[in-house]
Amino acid sequence: QVQLQESGPGLVKPSDTLSLICTVSGGSINSFYWIWIRQPPGKGLEWIGNIYYSGSTNYNPSLKSRVTISVDTSRNQFSLNLSSVTAADTAVYYCARYGFIYGLDVWGQGTTVTVSS
Amino acid sequence: EIVLTQSPGTLSLSPGERATLSCRASQSVSSTYLAWYQQKPGQAPRLLIYGASSRATGFPDRFSGSESGTDFTLTVSRLEPEDFAVYYCQHFGSSLTFGGGTKVEIK
Repeated sequence: QVQLQESGPGLVKPSDTLSLICTVSGGSINSFYWIWIRQPPGKGLEWIGNIYYSGSTNYNPSLKSRVTISVDTSRNQFSLNLSSVTAADTAVYYCARYGFIYGLDVWGQGTTVTVSS
Repeated sequence: EIVLTQSPGTLSLSPGERATLSCRASQSVSSTYLAWYQQKPGQAPRLLIYGASSRATGFPDRFSGSESGTDFTLTVSRLEPEDFAVYYCQHFGSSLTFGGGTKVEIK
């Protein structure tokens, strides 16, 4: 079955760029929408953005100026870059798949990113 | 931009009781793209309901979803101890939106 795994630094300095990779295993990235979501400590889920396997993207307007999502089909990976981070970007970051049944049917386990000097 | 408003914020119930969770959309949305998720502490959310009323794999039939116009409801007919969690509704249209969540806690 398809599995997702987030990877990247757990600690990022303020004003730096947060970079995460989501590796897709057990299936191909060539179909579906691929999503980045985050959850600040004790809070709800926030959509960051998504990418279609073809490369088309859509971002949360509140983060759009700082977000870039890209896909590498040869490596079965998609990635997130979030620039100029502040403490407000501290969160658990999840990658997920939006499947044919019109729901986020596969999730990564999540990775905690802390923004601190 | 569609806003999903979930109520109540917290639901305090006992095992065996019925839970009714609400998700109201700020405008008309297609039920095809309305989903519910269950999240337990320290875990990623898990798809529970898709297409407003179809149960995802692994969830028992005590969970059900329904819709009436812009109001969507998640019902747990008889709460089991493992059902105490946070539940989110979600819609994917021109953008992807989550409701604020409802925590179902043990009374």
